[in-house]
Amino acid sequence: DQQVKQNSPSLSVQEGRISILNCDYTNSMFDYFLWYKKYPAEGPTFLISISSIKDKNEDGRFTVFLNKSAKHLSLHIVPSQPGDSAVYFCAVPRTGNQFYFGTGTSLTVIP
Amino acid sequence: ETGVTQSPTHLIKTRGQQVTLRCSSQSGHNTVSWYQQALGQGPQFIFQYYREEENGRGNFPPRFSGLQFPNYSSELNVNALELDDSALYLCASSTGTSFSGELFFGEGSRLTVL
Repeated sequence: DQQVKQNSPSLSVQEGRISILNCDYTNSMFDYFLWYKKYPAEGPTFLISISSIKDKNEDGRFTVFLNKSAKHLSLHIVPSQPGDSAVYFCAVPRTGNQFYFGTGTSLTVIP
Repeated sequence: ETGVTQSPTHLIKTRGQQVTLRCSSQSGHNTVSWYQQALGQGPQFIFQYYREEENGRGNFPPRFSGLQFPNYSSELNVNALELDDSALYLCASSTGTSFSGELFFGEGSRLTVL
């Protein structure tokens, strides 16, 4: 039973343009939402998070938007760089520091 | 600061065998979580260990078991391996059990069951 869904398995974007990655969730009680990035042969690394009391959180080129009424969050990367090419997972806490992860979106930034 | 290390990085087993995967947590971290990432899927929570006790378990059968040692390192044991157990097994460390936002993952152990 998927608690978080990423419906786009892959995304290709030109360098310098905006990348938008999307995630839908099922439970309106989730209070935090996170994005992790994974390069091949490496473990996932934390990227950015947002609390349910906010609708936007920004960290440099990365911004996460939360739409609670639609149970939807998105990650914007502006401008996209080739080094951003990776698999991106959204995640929510099932409890404490135990997470449900989405299926991931593979981002390719074309130079 | 030493990061999360896992061993072995790759291994091949046959159906019915048993496997033990190992994880050393990041320095200062007392909580270890294990995740299974099947091909094309996201990481799925297996269980978490805190102070040598299991602290939460996902939807995995009892043949998946674990241990945490006094130095906070951990093992994941899988008995009676099935073909569907083929996956990347990720270990993540953190401090405590409350939400802190960030898990620190190792590079994983890739298990192939033939």
